[in-house]
Amino acid sequence: NAGVTQTPKFRILKIGQSMTLQCTQDMNHNYMYWYRQDPGMGLKLIYYSVGAGITDKGEVPNGYNVSRSTTEDFPLRLELAAPSQTSVYFCASSYPGTLNTGELFFGEGSRLTVL
Amino acid sequence: AQKVTQAQTEISVVEKEDVTLDCVYETRDTTYYLFWYKQPPSGELVFLIRRNSFDEQNEISGRYSWNFQKSTSSFNFTITASHVVDSAVYFCALSVLISSGSARQLTFGSGTQLTVLP
Repeated sequence: NAGVTQTPKFRILKIGQSMTLQCTQDMNHNYMYWYRQDPGMGLKLIYYSVGAGITDKGEVPNGYNVSRSTTEDFPLRLELAAPSQTSVYFCASSYPGTLNTGELFFGEGSRLTVL
Repeated sequence: AQKVTQAQTEISVVEKEDVTLDCVYETRDTTYYLFWYKQPPSGELVFLIRRNSFDEQNEISGRYSWNFQKSTSSFNFTITASHVVDSAVYFCALSVLISSGSARQLTFGSGTQLTVLP
């Protein structure tokens, strides 16, 4: 199994540009998450989804949008990129329902630089 | 609100030394899970251990051991006889329910950079 796959792994954006980080998982997990990791910091939750068609904000949602049209895919869109969005982005998924302990299965991360 | 504190920003040890990474957490929930993840220089996040709030037994896995104490809200991680390959950032994390559903949010500490010198 591929697990959680994120693309692209690296990207440089100019201020004001937009882009979408792709995330797909093949483990049939209902729950999916986007986190960002700033240098020297832990991960902070941007958005999460408990299933297709359902998304909700996390701790730091400003400047981002998400959608969840299928169980497998959870893309993260950056509108009008700003230098403050320079970070490493991690997509993750977890087991559904009563099996959900919060243990996350992470993608390899996407390093985004906004200049 | 929940919070995870890893007061040690950086630790350096010489190979074969033992090292303990501290983690203190705050939550009002009675049911929660605690985790340790490792982030090697390559950047991926590697799951190490999960512990639920009702299980205070210490755990040992090879050179790794974990000490969970609810009385002090701590979940410390010890590496015995450290190796150079143990060099990484180690994150402690706390999982609590998001609102009224069954989904859980993982709150991370800021991490401890461990450097093991040869």
